[in-house]
Amino acid sequence: AQSVTQPDIHITVSEGASLELRCNYSYGATPYLFWYVQSPGQGLQLLLKYFSGDTLVQGIKGFEAEFKRSQSSFNLRKPSVHWSDAAEYFCAVGAGTGRRALTFGSGTRLQVQP
Amino acid sequence: NAGVTQTPKFQVLKTGQSMTLQCAQDMNHEYMSWYRQDPGMGLRLIHYSVGAGITDQGEVPNGYNVSRSTTEDFPLRLLSAAPSQTSVYFCASTGSADTQYFGPGTRLTVL
Repeated sequence: AQSVTQPDIHITVSEGASLELRCNYSYGATPYLFWYVQSPGQGLQLLLKYFSGDTLVQGIKGFEAEFKRSQSSFNLRKPSVHWSDAAEYFCAVGAGTGRRALTFGSGTRLQVQP
Repeated sequence: NAGVTQTPKFQVLKTGQSMTLQCAQDMNHEYMSWYRQDPGMGLRLIHYSVGAGITDQGEVPNGYNVSRSTTEDFPLRLLSAAPSQTSVYFCASTGSADTQYFGPGTRLTVL
């Protein structure tokens, strides 16, 4: 079975600074990888996804993520954080025929300082 | 096009009561799923359905039942609520390119 680890429970960055949120997965083959964002009291919104091909994927709101098979990682990045990016971010993996039944990490809460 | 809708938004139950959380989607998606979200644990899959009449268990199915009589609706039933089922419940439907669309959630408290 697949698993996802988000090592950072809480991250604080200053507005305008760069951001990297870490995600490590465990799965024998190439998984389907997703990043979702959840604002307080809201549902989840898809930021980006990786299925195959180019390992650097672009998403909405200026986010990107890079799939690194050798490190089993799919880290989320943004070059310049805006105050509106404060939210909780979830990495998720789907695998094989169960790729639609996602396994989520425990999330990283991002706080943005003015 | 309303996407994925869930009712109710909030619910308080007493231990032992039963209830049904409603989920509907108007995107004609075959695949739907239910997750629960608990602090520090992300989302965990309860049940999912790959089409009308077909359901299967996820990671944490105990205490929950589902059925799928139509493509649009995927209700989640709690047969005898327990305090351990206090959580936020999200329904999702999956469209093309395996993109999941989530509903706004139902916050359930079991006393």
